Amino acid sequence: EDQVTQSPEALRLQEGESSSLNCSYTVSGLRGLFWYRQDPGKGPEFLFTLYSAGEEKEKERLKATLTKKESFLHITAPKPEDSATYLCAVQAANNDMRFGAGTRLTVKP
Amino acid sequence: GAGVSQSPSNKVTEKGKDVELRCDPISGHTALYWYRQSLGQGLEFLIYFQGNSAPDKSGLPSDRFSAERTGGSVSTLTIQRTQQEDSAVYLCASSHRVIYEQYFGPGTRLTVT
Repeated sequence: EDQVTQSPEALRLQEGESSSLNCSYTVSGLRGLFWYRQDPGKGPEFLFTLYSAGEEKEKERLKATLTKKESFLHITAPKPEDSATYLCAVQAANNDMRFGAGTRLTVKP
Repeated sequence: GAGVSQSPSNKVTEKGKDVELRCDPISGHTALYWYRQSLGQGLEFLIYFQGNSAPDKSGLPSDRFSAERTGGSVSTLTIQRTQQEDSAVYLCASSHRVIYEQYFGPGTRLTVT
């Protein structure tokens, strides 16, 4: 069965303290791995899509990487406005989407 | 341009009543998804539509849940005989095509009393 596990569940950082979020997955034929950001009371906001192992993508302070078993979302020198829940999702060969439970990130000034 | 819109934003209903939730996808997007998000939980896939193909209903939790998409655009998710465990935020997303990134609406918060 397709499965997505995100860790840690919650992460508290000081402003400027870099860290990484993990997304481990098992899927029948990966079509794509997606990262989203979700603010309280809002729908998820798309960040990145990764399609194959070794691929990397960057956007401002965020960088996503992908291996055959996991993806990392690296946050460099975070700011308080980066505080949000970060969701990872995989799309299987049959097009089914499965989301992880998310990592709740808090960045203190 | 306009994003995905959902209505109502909040819905409170009594146990046993039927509810309809509406989703207006981004114009030109052929794929439309419905998800459910319970408090503190990840997104649970419910159903998706791709163009004029038959929908993938594999995620619907029971036969009380149904969805339709008229004219390849607006979609309605219907929950019959609501139960308290149906209380959640229902999110709709659309994408240009399947396997492309999805754009989410703000969700409908459903509370069953």
